[in-house]
Amino acid sequence: DAMVIQNPRYQVTQFGKPVTLSCSQTLNHNVMYWYQQKSSQAPKLLFHYYDKDFNNEADTPDNFQSRRPNTSFCFLDIRSPGLGDAAMYLCATSTKNRDEQYFGPGTRLTVT
Amino acid sequence: QQQVKQSPQSLIVQKGGISIINCAYENTAFDYFPWYQQFPGKGPALLIAIRPDVSEKKEGRFTISFNKSAKQFSLHIMDSQPGDSATYFCAASKDEGNKLVFGAGTILRVKS
Repeated sequence: DAMVIQNPRYQVTQFGKPVTLSCSQTLNHNVMYWYQQKSSQAPKLLFHYYDKDFNNEADTPDNFQSRRPNTSFCFLDIRSPGLGDAAMYLCATSTKNRDEQYFGPGTRLTVT
Repeated sequence: QQQVKQSPQSLIVQKGGISIINCAYENTAFDYFPWYQQFPGKGPALLIAIRPDVSEKKEGRFTISFNKSAKQFSLHIMDSQPGDSATYFCAASKDEGNKLVFGAGTILRVKS
């Protein structure tokens, strides 16, 4: 029944050690989003894919990159995590008319 | 112009009472206004949404009131229950790009 799946749910990485978070969806939606949510804050959009068309937010650090090898999967790569990158990372999807966004359960990233 | 201002930051309501959360926006191009509910450790889930062509939308105990001229919208939770205790985010988007702009969130606690 899970529609947007994120793995792992919890990830611990060391300062500066690259980490990859994954998202998959069973909804066959064209659009996939990555958000960063810090404690007691609203989700902040990092980037999104419209099909294979990548759209980066202007204030997303270069440290964050993404890959979407096919419709179902999307990855978030953090090249050199800093302590300030510790957060919940949320994946979401939507259809082409882009109304409702369906969120996954998130991956809680800890940087030690 | 991209901001959505949400109030209050936190709210305590007695079981059976009415919870009211307010949001205001500046960008008149916004044409989709969803409310998301988020439980600790989970991703946001769409609760209810409205477009500016109607002034009110009701789904069960949840109602959105929309005032286009004042550029404000609010969420009313009737007969609030302890299970409604969560963080609520209002958001807004416009068709072009459909990037959600979130309010800062309201932590609701319903006391039994």
